[in-house]
Amino acid sequence: EAGVAQSPRYKIIEKRQSVAFWCNPISGHATLYWYQQILGQGPKLLIQFQNNGVVDDSQLPKDRFSAERLKGVDSTLKIQPAKLEDSAVYLCASSLAAGPTLYGYTFGSGTRLTVV
Amino acid sequence: LAKTTQPISMDSYEGQEVNITCSHNNIATNDYITWYQQFPSQGPRFIIQGYKTKVTNEVASLFIPADRKSSTLSLPRVSLSDTAVYYCLVGDVLTGGGNKLTFGTGTQLKVEL
Repeated sequence: EAGVAQSPRYKIIEKRQSVAFWCNPISGHATLYWYQQILGQGPKLLIQFQNNGVVDDSQLPKDRFSAERLKGVDSTLKIQPAKLEDSAVYLCASSLAAGPTLYGYTFGSGTRLTVV
Repeated sequence: LAKTTQPISMDSYEGQEVNITCSHNNIATNDYITWYQQFPSQGPRFIIQGYKTKVTNEVASLFIPADRKSSTLSLPRVSLSDTAVYYCLVGDVLTGGGNKLTFGTGTQLKVEL
């Protein structure tokens, strides 16, 4: 089966600019997650979608970050305006059910964002 | 969510068995233990998951004592390609809604010749 697709692979922007990341989960996976991974740290959950509804966005900096999952399939994460501390890898993951599941999440390869 | 503690790093040589222990003293009755592997420039990859005793698959074994306050990931006969960060996570995998995975800093395993 095809994996979780993410684009772009790399992005370099100046601070205060905006950027968007795209994710296409595994077909049929109801739950989609966006994680932020800063260099040297483990991934941190930003937002969790169940179909096209938000389940948890408690760690999403809503003053600058936004995410949507129209039609319950692919998703877009946006940052506007970007700050230097937003430099990180943004990972998308999906799972069949609402929880972690007995077979874990499937992650994409991520988008590496550098803010200069 | 139960907090986990792992060694920051471990070194090994090719062909050796590597055991990475994770401490999770506050594990709840419904929590499972899941291990992920992450290579540079890739997302984490599911390795193994268990609830109690021993679980084995083609990649690794997971040992969980009766009190479930710790677990050990065992990698048999490691190779250079096993050099990666290994994460131990604890959470309820059978119920939905907010049972998300919380990653710690993981264990950086370095395998040398």
